[in-house]
Amino acid sequence: RKEVEQDPGPFNVPEGATVAFNCTYSNSASQSFFWYRQDCRKEPKLLMSVYSSGNEDGRFTAQLNRASQYISLLIRDSKLSDSATYLCVVKSEGNNNDMRFGAGTRLTVKP
Amino acid sequence: DGGITQSPKYLFRKEGQNVTLSCEQNLNHDAMYWYRQDPGQGLRLIYYSQIVNDFQKGDIAEGYSVSREKKESFPLTVTSAQKNPTAFYLCASSLGPYNEQFFGPGTRLTVL
Repeated sequence: RKEVEQDPGPFNVPEGATVAFNCTYSNSASQSFFWYRQDCRKEPKLLMSVYSSGNEDGRFTAQLNRASQYISLLIRDSKLSDSATYLCVVKSEGNNNDMRFGAGTRLTVKP
Repeated sequence: DGGITQSPKYLFRKEGQNVTLSCEQNLNHDAMYWYRQDPGQGLRLIYYSQIVNDFQKGDIAEGYSVSREKKESFPLTVTSAQKNPTAFYLCASSLGPYNEQFFGPGTRLTVL
């Protein structure tokens, strides 16, 4: 079983749609959670951290469920520019090499 | 402009040759990392360094070597011992081990 699992997609949605991605992790000691965005043939860029109480940044909402060991990312009112691959990242505190990346979920927003 | 730079952007190498990938940051970050990314897979950690003159192996260090002689620089050498070196190589840095990581633009290595 992979340490961080994501649905690879692709998710193809029309502009204005709401889309949600889930990510599950296997290490119950994980402490920090992030969503990164990666455009085709580019480097990953931090989209948002995920906090225990859930957090929102404009059209993006991230949630964490520790009991079920999954995190989610919700994108409302999708824009063409949201098309990218979204990487789920999980980190265990205290060990520098325990940053685990999911393989990513690919999103295409169409006109 | 503060940031992380990697060079070259594209690199072609013949089998049996060593090659060194450059990574420089001017963010005053203590920690630096090297990952490789293959299609359909998550990033995998090759090496990391928390401080100058110190570095640790990641999950897939075999066939690679690094040095950290300066805070700003963390070059990666892909040796001929690396059996499948063709990949997208990403360097990252963070203020400390508990902070978010920021990535350079990557180097795409192809072995001919």
